Amino acid sequence: AQTVTQSQPEMSVQEAETVTLSCTYDTSESDYYLFWYKQPPSRQMILVIRQEAYKQQNATENRFSVNFQKAAKSFSLKISDSQLGDAAMYFCAYRGSGTYKYIFGTGTRLKVLA
Amino acid sequence: KAGVTQTPRYLIKTRGQQVTLSCSPISGHRSVSWYQQTPGQGLQFLFEYFSETQRNKGNFPGRFSGRQFSNSRSEMNVSTLELGDSALYLCASSLGPGAQPQHFGDGTRLSIL
Repeated sequence: AQTVTQSQPEMSVQEAETVTLSCTYDTSESDYYLFWYKQPPSRQMILVIRQEAYKQQNATENRFSVNFQKAAKSFSLKISDSQLGDAAMYFCAYRGSGTYKYIFGTGTRLKVLA
Repeated sequence: KAGVTQTPRYLIKTRGQQVTLSCSPISGHRSVSWYQQTPGQGLQFLFEYFSETQRNKGNFPGRFSGRQFSNSRSEMNVSTLELGDSALYLCASSLGPGAQPQHFGDGTRLSIL
């Protein structure tokens, strides 16, 4: 069975600095998708970034980028130039290519310090 | 385009009762998934429906059930409520396979007294 692990329950970062959130996963599948979701206190989950496992190039969305290491089964999220609005719970998620079932990590709470 | 709509936003029930939660997906989305979110367990997958058929199911007891209608709207039912069922229940819809992400609703906060 697939698993997703986020080993950092909480992280803090100074405004305008860079922070990296860790995520590791375990799977025997070769084709899958990885996602980072953000859940602000208002509680709606918002997609931050996605990565297809068959793509070697790391995904980037403005200030958000990932470091995808397929062999190591690692999928970290880097937030550059952190802003107060980035404060939220961040979830890493896995989905196999042949299923709609998502597996989420337990989340990392990010605090942004002014 | 309207997002995923979940009703009600808040619900208070007592042990032993049953509850029905509703989810309207984004127009055109045929896949609807349900999750239970608790502080200690994170997001736990309940089940996923596509074209009125349950295709995936998580490890929850039979008290948790769902269904999907022909217009893709979905309902989730929990019978014989227990204190441990207190949680935020999230619904998410998806357009299709591949890298299409799930879009989440605001959730229903269920409190069991």
